[in-house]
This record gives sequence, structure tokens and C-alpha cells, in this order.
Amino acid sequence: DAMVIQNPRYQVTQFGKPVTLSCSQTLNHNVMYWYQQKSSQAPKLLFHYYDKDFNNEADTPDNFQSRRPNTSFCFLDIRSPGLGDAAMYLCATGTANTEAFFGQGTRLTVV
Amino acid sequence: QKEVEQDPGPLSVPEGAIVSLNCTYSNSAFQYFMWYRQYSRKGPELLMYTYSSGNKEDGRFTAQVDKSSKYISLFIRDSQPSDSATYLCAMKKNTGFQKLVFGTGTRLLVSP
Repeated sequence: DAMVIQNPRYQVTQFGKPVTLSCSQTLNHNVMYWYQQKSSQAPKLLFHYYDKDFNNEADTPDNFQSRRPNTSFCFLDIRSPGLGDAAMYLCATGTANTEAFFGQGTRLTVV
Repeated sequence: QKEVEQDPGPLSVPEGAIVSLNCTYSNSAFQYFMWYRQYSRKGPELLMYTYSSGNKEDGRFTAQVDKSSKYISLFIRDSQPSDSATYLCAMKKNTGFQKLVFGTGTRLLVSP
């Protein structure tokens, strides 16, 4: 009965090889977020969707892109992963005035 | 200065102890305050959600907000080894959509 589902849980990719992480939700929330979390650090917001409106954080590298084909699904594309992109990637959902519900995360390793 | 400050710990306590976890913040516009628990290699799980000042209790957990001091706390009574995790505070401003601002998290270790 998971509400925010991320796939895969663990992803190993080669340096420079494009990778896509996926997130789905059963909550019908209109906001979906992608966070990056490195070891012992706070989650860092990369971007979010408010319905179909995409909002990029000012310091999110161009290497990171996102797609939201419908309310339930959201994807994070890393075009050319570098070693510094190894992290836990967290998807979360919410509404304008409620808390964020997180998925279990995808741990990305870059080799 | 970070918007939200949180001691990273680790905080080590024996089973049954009362635990106090705290965050301070600098932006008086924050109105919504949350505590998340994050187990190793898992996503954050919402524990408590409060609006403005005051206390909120849920089982062994009590969240306290003091807006005049820009200080929030999470108390855990009768702590258990299963409470061992990283606790993240998060907050956001009032109107419309606002992104969450997180603390760096406090790692809690409860020993049997």
C-alpha cells in the first residue's frame, strides 16, 4: 500500500551514461518534487511540478531534467552523470498547503 | 547563516530515555513545521506536522513550536531502539505553494 513508489531502489550507471529514475503516486497530489540527498546532508530540492507547471531551482544543474507525463508519474533524467551526482534521489508529492510525502528513494551510484 | 540549523549529532541515549531534538531558524515567515524520521537508506517519513506556535502530541511524540524564539522541538518519550534514525526538521512559509526548507538532520542512537 505504498503511496509514492520509486524505481529502481538502487541504480548503478556509468560515468556519462544517461539514466532515468521514475516515481509514481497513488495519492492524486498535484505537486511532485525531486530532491537530491547526499550523505549526512539535508535533502536539496532540484525541481517541482505544480500540476503541469515545471519549476526549476536556480542552482539545479542543466544536467538534470524532468518529465511529468500525467498526474501519477514523474521522471528524473540525468543526461551525463558525473561522480558528484552519486546520491539518494527522493521523490515526494503534496498539495499546495500540505506536507510532502516521500518515496523510499533511489540510491544512484556512478562508476 | 543557514535558514534552518540542526545539530547533526549523533545523540546517544539508553532505551527508555526522553529524547529532545531541536531546530532553530532565522526566517520569521515560516508557519508550517514538520518532523521527518529517516532510517538508513530509506526515504523520510512524516512524523509530526504543526501550524504556528504550540504543542502537538501523537503517542510517544510531542512537537513544540516557539515562534518568538524561532525554535522547534521534538520530544520522544520512552525511547526504543527502533527509534534509532535520523530526524529531519522541515518548515515552510504560509501562503500558497512553498518549498520545504530542511535541517541537516540529527542522528539518534537508542541503545538497549
